[in-house]
Amino acid sequence: DGGITQSPKYLFRKEGQNVTLSCEQNLNHDAMYWYRQDPGQGLRLIYYSQIVNDFQKGDIAEGYSVSREKKESFPLTVTSAQKNPTAFYLCASSILGQGPSDTQYFGPGTRLTVL
Amino acid sequence: QKEVEQDPGPLSVPEGAIVSLNCTYSNSAFQYFMWYRQYSRKGPELLMYTYSSGNKEDGRFTAQVDKSSKYISLFIRDSQPSDSATYLCAMSDAAAGNKLTFGGGTRVLVKP
Repeated sequence: DGGITQSPKYLFRKEGQNVTLSCEQNLNHDAMYWYRQDPGQGLRLIYYSQIVNDFQKGDIAEGYSVSREKKESFPLTVTSAQKNPTAFYLCASSILGQGPSDTQYFGPGTRLTVL
Repeated sequence: QKEVEQDPGPLSVPEGAIVSLNCTYSNSAFQYFMWYRQYSRKGPELLMYTYSSGNKEDGRFTAQVDKSSKYISLFIRDSQPSDSATYLCAMSDAAAGNKLTFGGGTRVLVKP
């Protein structure tokens, strides 16, 4: 089955620790995205990547880092510099070049809680 | 002021009723409009995608865009308990490429 997988589903972190969230897609999509969702708020873009070995900051990149070494994978690291990391993290992917606004498809999400 | 405003709800309706959802926005450059459905603790799934003004129908779902009023709507006919979810509007403009701006979501409860 084609799709986007995120792991783990739930993650607990102590203050001061870095944690890495996994995102893998087998849809052969070019672009991948990371969003953060807080209760009652819309999704906010953290980072996105349109091609391997290249990525851009979104609206709330501070305290986060990413890498794109493979087309299928776009891991997100939440660093200790992120002051309020407890949230629901969503990964998405899209094909580029099908139109001016390419449809994004989402993974199931990772819920991160800081203890 | 947020770029995209959406009433958080919850919006509670009896089974079979029409569900009416809407978003207002401030950026007149937005041209592409989407509605996503998100079940609790799951990722959003795309329901409808429209470009510019007008209506689009897909089964029980109708999306409307009124660019002059900066207002978009989603109607769900013959609502079912399985339609209970949070509905997110999202939009983008050509200059922003693939960057989407989301509303905060409206929680819908369809009671049997």
